[in-house]
Amino acid sequence: ELKVEQNPLFLSMQEGKNYTIYCNYSTTSDRLYWYRQDPGKSLESLFVLLSNGAVKQEGRLMASLDTKARLSTLHITAAVHDLSATYFCAVDPSGYALNFGKGTSLLVTP
Amino acid sequence: ETGVTQTPRHLVMGMTNKKSLKCEQHLGHNAMYWYKQSAKKPLELMFVYNFKEQTENNSVPSRFSPECPNSSHLFLHLHTLQPEDSALYLCASSQEFGRNEQFFGPGTRLTVL
Repeated sequence: ELKVEQNPLFLSMQEGKNYTIYCNYSTTSDRLYWYRQDPGKSLESLFVLLSNGAVKQEGRLMASLDTKARLSTLHITAAVHDLSATYFCAVDPSGYALNFGKGTSLLVTP
Repeated sequence: ETGVTQTPRHLVMGMTNKKSLKCEQHLGHNAMYWYKQSAKKPLELMFVYNFKEQTENNSVPSRFSPECPNSSHLFLHLHTLQPEDSALYLCASSQEFGRNEQFFGPGTRLTVL
């Protein structure tokens, strides 16, 4: 059974600080997705990582993928309140279904 | 705006009611998906349709009945639901079936009394 584990599941951080969210998965997958969900809203695609060593950056967020370690990271630089949301990673090893982690609820405080 | 719309956004129904959720995508995609998002659980894939054909039924109870009349519309028919079926139901679409980025609708918040 495929497992996708995110940690931490809850994260409270101060504005201006840096932090990393980790996503581990249990089976081979050469692509990984990061999504953001605001309360009561749908999932917004953030990054699609398509190969080992892929790194993508958008604003204060940077995602990377290590397929050998079955690990992706989402790094937050100099957090701001607008980044408060739940972040999900998902893998698609079989080619037909996204398997999601439980999500990391991020709260950025002044 | 994601290009995937869902109606209604909120639905309250009794256990004996019959209702339907609707999803429409305006992205020209060929694959559509239903997901269930419950509190404290990962998103669960329910159904997958590719070019109107159902390709995946992820062991979903028969009280959930999907319908895909064309590649732009997807329905989820609900009958005799249980309180534990209360959740956020998300529709998604992708360009092709499998290994493609999925775009999600806003979801329908369902409450079963």
